Amino acid sequence: GAVVSQHPSRVICKSGTSVKIECRSLDFQATTMFWYRQFPKQSLMLMATSNEGSKATYEQGVEKDKFLINHASLTLSTLTVTSAHPEDSSFYICSARAGGGGTSDGYTFGSGTRLTVV
Amino acid sequence: GQQLNQSPQSMFIQEGEDVSMNCTSSSIFNTWLWYKQDPGEGPVLLIALYKAGELTSNGRLTAQFGITRKDSFLNISASIPSDVGIYFCAGRYNQGGKLIFGQGTELSVKP
Repeated sequence: GAVVSQHPSRVICKSGTSVKIECRSLDFQATTMFWYRQFPKQSLMLMATSNEGSKATYEQGVEKDKFLINHASLTLSTLTVTSAHPEDSSFYICSARAGGGGTSDGYTFGSGTRLTVV
Repeated sequence: GQQLNQSPQSMFIQEGEDVSMNCTSSSIFNTWLWYKQDPGEGPVLLIALYKAGELTSNGRLTAQFGITRKDSFLNISASIPSDVGIYFCAGRYNQGGKLIFGQGTELSVKP
């Protein structure tokens, strides 16, 4: 089945530094990837939709200069949290959708990245 | 962002009992999905529903796509301890579009 690998699983960084999170589709090509943020005991909130070869589409209220998304290939999307602050600490999750996959394309999620900014 | 109304928020049940949870929306969806999330992990797809009225099973899990296309339910029969986790419904307006998630139902199963 479709597998999405997300790396790193945990990262601790200092305030003011940048952190890059990778999301890879291992056995399929993903034309579209989605990035979510999840706070403890809460639901997944979509941050942005990442399309291969084009600019990401950000949800309202998400700062695109702070959360840089790059989807340079059909198997890799990256999220960079720039100038991180403690309030950026959260669980970040990506999901990927296979290109041209008919109606039965329930999206596959990565295992998430726990970011802690100190 | 927009969310679906998912209930209940949490459930504490005895092993062997059946469980039911549901989601409602003010908007019509053309796809409903049910996911389970374990602590520190990403959600895993349980059941996908693509047609109004559709009833689909996956082992002890059964889900239905409401006839109005504005709701869905998930049933778990004969619960076991490994059913513990958070269950999310998600709706999608169009193929390939973004998912809108419910608030989640946290399930605890007492052996």
